[in-house]
Amino acid sequence: EVQLVQSGAEVKKPGESLKISCKASGYIFTSHWIGWVRQMPGEGLEWMGIIFPGDSDTRYRPSFQGQVTISVDKSIDTAYVQWSSLMASDTAVYYCMRLSTYYYVDVWGKGTTVTVSS
Amino acid sequence: QSALTQPASVSGSPGQSITISCTGTSSDVGGYNSVSWYQHHPGKAPKVLIYTVSDRPSGVSNRFSGSKSGNTASLTISGLQAEDEADYYCSSYTSSSTLVVFGGGTKLTVL
Repeated sequence: EVQLVQSGAEVKKPGESLKISCKASGYIFTSHWIGWVRQMPGEGLEWMGIIFPGDSDTRYRPSFQGQVTISVDKSIDTAYVQWSSLMASDTAVYYCMRLSTYYYVDVWGKGTTVTVSS
Repeated sequence: QSALTQPASVSGSPGQSITISCTGTSSDVGGYNSVSWYQHHPGKAPKVLIYTVSDRPSGVSNRFSGSKSGNTASLTISGLQAEDEADYYCSSYTSSSTLVVFGGGTKLTVL
């Protein structure tokens, strides 16, 4: 069974750094794009960006470029998104997702809640 | 601002049919048959309902159907049920560097 298992909820202060993870299983990790979607409180889903683990080709939605870093560790089939300096506006649920061959999301993680508050 | 335009909300009564539109450009919806639709209930992971414009994954009710005309894709839900109340998102492959674009989402209320 194809699964994406995300790391647990985080509570951080503004200015702190954070890296959340998404562990893939049940398929060849390097064969599919994997990425992240944000849902801020009361808002819709927002595409953040994706990475192809095979060659680390990374594509960001322009509004997220420079705000987050998406990466992978192929040795442990895990994708990450990280922030160097969190802001209160980063408070959201972050979903990990896998792109199918036909560029639709066929697998979703359960979401990681990130709360940034002083 | 989302790349694909969806109505913010739609509503219908149980048993009725509703259609949600998703308008893009020739660089995404109109240019490729890679439109997909997702259902999202609060607190749960989104679920794909339709992919490649009109295909349904196994296990998805045939009450959900998709179509496309020009730069606009549509999701139709027939025989509305209370559990259909959720947020719905469209997505498409795009020729831009981001590869995929999402719509802003449509809140479906079952009256």
